[in-house]
Amino acid sequence: AQKVTQAQTEISVVEKEDVTLDCVYETRDTTYYLFWYKQPPSGELVFLIRRNSFDEQNEISGRYSWNFQKSTSSFNFTITASQVVDSAVYFCALSEPNSGYSTLTFGKGTMLLVSP
Amino acid sequence: SQTIHQWPATLVQPVGSPLSLECTVEGTSNPNLYWYRQAAGRGLQLLFYSVGIGQISSEVPQNLSASRPQDRQFILSSKKLLLSDSGFYLCAWSVRGRINEKLFFGSGTQLSVL
Repeated sequence: AQKVTQAQTEISVVEKEDVTLDCVYETRDTTYYLFWYKQPPSGELVFLIRRNSFDEQNEISGRYSWNFQKSTSSFNFTITASQVVDSAVYFCALSEPNSGYSTLTFGKGTMLLVSP
Repeated sequence: SQTIHQWPATLVQPVGSPLSLECTVEGTSNPNLYWYRQAAGRGLQLLFYSVGIGQISSEVPQNLSASRPQDRQFILSSKKLLLSDSGFYLCAWSVRGRINEKLFFGSGTQLSVL
């Protein structure tokens, strides 16, 4: 069975600090996709990134960066110079290998609180 | 551009009452549709998904049901709500026929069963 673990329930930082959100996954599949979503207080989940299991290159997008380590089954998310607007719940998710549709296994989320 | 609408945004219902949550997608055809539930302190749990009109697959047995009367309409229902049905319900869509596609989520419905 697939599983995603986000061990950090809540993280509090002060603005401009860097913060890393951890994600560890379990799967028996050799082909899979990993995702990060952001859930601001409004509730809607916002897609941040999708990564396939064959691409272990780290990715940077502005203040966001992702570190995919297949050897440790981790897909960590770092926010550099955090801002108050980064306050949200962040979910890591793993895709299941189905045909024609996408079903994701989500972690329980990490609530990030960025104070001014 | 594609948009997804979900309503109502909040709902307070007594135990034993019926439920109907609606979700519609605009700007795309033949989407895959999903209902997720987010209970307090937990991650998102897939409840139902649909790959076409009238085609519903259930992931978790419960007293909820889903229907897809039109291509871009997805409805979550219950005949009699339980306290344990409280939670945040999210509708989502993805492109039909593609695996591992990202999901686009609606703004959710906060359901409180009292």
